[in-house]
Amino acid sequence: ENALTQSPGTLSVSPGERATLSCRASQSVSSSYLAWYQQKPGQAPRLLIYGASSRATGIPDRFSGSGSGTDFTLTISRLEAEDSAVYYCQQYGSSPWTFGQGTKVEIK
Amino acid sequence: EVQLVQSGAEVKKSGESLKISCKTSGYSFSNYWIGWVRQMPGKGLEWMGIIHPGDSDTRSSPSFQGQVTISADKSISTAYLQWSSLKASDTAIYFCARTTSGSYHTAFDMWGQGTLVSV
Repeated sequence: ENALTQSPGTLSVSPGERATLSCRASQSVSSSYLAWYQQKPGQAPRLLIYGASSRATGIPDRFSGSGSGTDFTLTISRLEAEDSAVYYCQQYGSSPWTFGQGTKVEIK
Repeated sequence: EVQLVQSGAEVKKSGESLKISCKTSGYSFSNYWIGWVRQMPGKGLEWMGIIHPGDSDTRSSPSFQGQVTISADKSISTAYLQWSSLKASDTAIYFCARTTSGSYHTAFDMWGQGTLVSV
């Protein structure tokens, strides 16, 4: 199983600042089959990024993904209050697919 | 419009059986994988397994293999997750989700609203 470790556990950022979230895999992720999701309390997750760096439909360009192999990053530039949520990475390159444990982004 | 609508909350006793559903509309059900994701109270997301309704090809996480059954009925565009004997540790919200394309190696772009199962 390809385990994903996200850091930090919690990130506190001021509005307008940049948030950088990390996702590290225990094995190389095939073909950059890595996604990022946002989940707000009481809601289903929402797809933000797939293929490590492609934004999903309707996702603002302040969200960007990068990385390959075992190290991936989600960057939220110009943080807004509505970005307060838990963010999960997921690999879908090798079965079983796996999720990271999540990073909680708080607005200062 | 693509929609995944899950069945309502359930309260069950240990040892009872349960089958929850995920009714889809707005796209060709047979052509996309549907997966199930568990979220225990206050915890993160766990991938349980996935099914391709077109040929019933099913892949499961070893963590859930033998504990749940994933199935689909093409005639009514609905996927299912079922237990034969529930445990207290099955208490969680269960989400169904659709892949972005018919390929196995794609992310989940559409999600159901979740079904709360309390045991």
